[in-house]
Amino acid sequence: DQQVKQNSPSLSVQEGRISILNCDYTNSMFDYFLWYKKYPAEGPTFLISISSIKDKNEDGRFTVFLNKSAKHLSLHIVPSQPGDSAVYFCAASDSTGTASKLTFGTGTRLQVTL
Amino acid sequence: GAVVSQHPSRVICKSGTSVKIECRSLDFQATTMFWYRQFPKQSLMLMATSNEGSKATYEQGVEKDKFLINHASLTLSTLTVTSAHPEDSSFYICSASRDPETQYFGPGTRLLVL
Repeated sequence: DQQVKQNSPSLSVQEGRISILNCDYTNSMFDYFLWYKKYPAEGPTFLISISSIKDKNEDGRFTVFLNKSAKHLSLHIVPSQPGDSAVYFCAASDSTGTASKLTFGTGTRLQVTL
Repeated sequence: GAVVSQHPSRVICKSGTSVKIECRSLDFQATTMFWYRQFPKQSLMLMATSNEGSKATYEQGVEKDKFLINHASLTLSTLTVTSAHPEDSSFYICSASRDPETQYFGPGTRLLVL
């Protein structure tokens, strides 16, 4: 049972445009969400997180939106850059607002083209 | 800061042998370390959570006698795959936590059991 789903295995976006990566979850107990970026042969790198008490968190070019009623979150990257090309994982935790015991999605491969 | 290393990065072993994977937090003390496994085209699956000086907490379906975890210090955790079989071939990745808000991942170890 996949509790965190990233239904798009891949996404291609032109440099300078907006990249939108989506994530859906089924467990209503999840209260803390994170996005990680992963390059080949490296471990995931933390990008941005959001607590369930918020609906938006912004950090530079990265913004995460959370829609609790729809159990959906999205990561927006504006403007997209070639260096953003990587696999992006959405992760969720039900450990009262901490990043313990993360449940990961299967990832979306983002390709930013010139 | 927040660098996590893993050793080895890749290991090939014969069926029936044991393999030890080390996870180190290089520039911080990690109160908690996590071990994940990722099969091809699947998400990272949490195997166990370990706290320094105490026994690891294993996720459902993970055999604790097969996957031995030792968290001897605040900077080192080891995972030993005992009597490895071909079905144990996978990508094993650790993470370390220095605060509740995120986990920092190592680069992973690819295990191939022949």
